[in-house]
Amino acid sequence: EADIYQTPRYLVIGTGKKITLECSQTMGHDKMYWYQQDPGMELHLIHYSYGVNSTEKGDLSSESTVSRIRTEHFPLTLESARPSHTSQYLCASSEEPSGSGANVLTFGAGSRLTVL
Amino acid sequence: GQNIDQPTEMTATEGAIVQINCTYQTSGFNGLFWYQQHAGEAPTFLSYNVLDGLEEKGRFSSFLSRSKGYSYLLLKELQMKDSASYLCAVRDSNYQLIWGAGTKLIIKP
Repeated sequence: EADIYQTPRYLVIGTGKKITLECSQTMGHDKMYWYQQDPGMELHLIHYSYGVNSTEKGDLSSESTVSRIRTEHFPLTLESARPSHTSQYLCASSEEPSGSGANVLTFGAGSRLTVL
Repeated sequence: GQNIDQPTEMTATEGAIVQINCTYQTSGFNGLFWYQQHAGEAPTFLSYNVLDGLEEKGRFSSFLSRSKGYSYLLLKELQMKDSASYLCAVRDSNYQLIWGAGTKLIIKP
């Protein structure tokens, strides 16, 4: 049973459209992340948040924006989609490191975006 | 720069044992993770190593040598459902995760 939900799972849209990828988690985690993953390639961090009203850009330059108005919700928006944005987008969350320090990520099922 | 190296693809036989290696060069080290990712699905956590040595969890074990910048994931008694990509990730001195490109493991009957 998934504790982190992403919608839509699949999206095909035309160039120039505005899109929002939704991500919600029910675990009460403070930390949330957006990753981009292309086939056979490593995950690239594009945005992260350590709590409400906190957002940071990741390592991968991205034209997307995020917001964190509620703990459970971390949507990602592309104002004007381009074919170069075609990719899989993975949302994840984690809690503060415990004594073990593991800070394990829980991922959503992903949103596969195709921009024509 | 920071990088994680893993073999792109490996093939093994059902019931056998396979070892997937991961070498890393990062700015600092605060733990190494292994995740499993089936095709079209989300990565799921397998193991975490922060101290040198072997961590065993059922059919899966993970080993770490910090001095060598090296880890491996050992899968025993392979099953067809183990066909997946295995991702190695290292948490650096800024507590950011650096990911490898993953090793696609193909299990043959």
